[in-house]
Amino acid sequence: GAVVSQHPSRVICKSGTSVKIECRSLDFQATTMFWYRQFPKQSLMLMATSNEGSKATYEQGVEKDKFLINHASLTLSTLTVTSAHPEDSSFYICSALPRVADTDTQYFGPGTRLTVL
Amino acid sequence: GEDVEQSLFLSVREGDSSVINCTYTDSSSTYLYWYKQEPGAGLQLLTYIFSNMDMKQDQRLTVLLNKKDKHLSLRIADTQTGDSAIYFCAETYSSASKIIFGSGTRLSIRP
Repeated sequence: GAVVSQHPSRVICKSGTSVKIECRSLDFQATTMFWYRQFPKQSLMLMATSNEGSKATYEQGVEKDKFLINHASLTLSTLTVTSAHPEDSSFYICSALPRVADTDTQYFGPGTRLTVL
Repeated sequence: GEDVEQSLFLSVREGDSSVINCTYTDSSSTYLYWYKQEPGAGLQLLTYIFSNMDMKQDQRLTVLLNKKDKHLSLRIADTQTGDSAIYFCAETYSSASKIIFGSGTRLSIRP
């Protein structure tokens, strides 16, 4: 159990376009989802915390107008990279915290690799 | 502030034990995790330990926690080629809080 999926797994887009990445909890409900960014050969950096039905909380230095997060349901959160530029190319990973959990563990998605040309 | 540090590389011979070390600074950390990331893939939770525990063993994996020194280690017994990956140490105060990741240790296995 506790499977998190991301779609798409890989996306290539032109500079200036917007890209939407979906994060779904497949077999559980998640009131909180997290979005991380990972640069090559580096660690994961938290971008924002997404709570169902409310506005996301962004980490310092992350532009909320650039990275739009919507958590419309207990099983889906989306990250939209608006007006993407080459420096936005990265590996984006989401995680989900089960609404009812017997262990306090976030479950991670497989990641989405974004390449902006 | 919060910080988690790991050495970047570790090379071991197949069949030997691997020990990956991690230090953290936040004494209020409640959960300490070890994640595995294979090339181009997401994170796989390997194991975790509560801060009130000293040791946890799960098959080939042994986690040791020295809370006084804020030192966490992951021992992989009988290391196999399939264990080649990046291993991230991570800590958090609560499950609803952000997870702070270390830089990751790249484990390579030599024959």
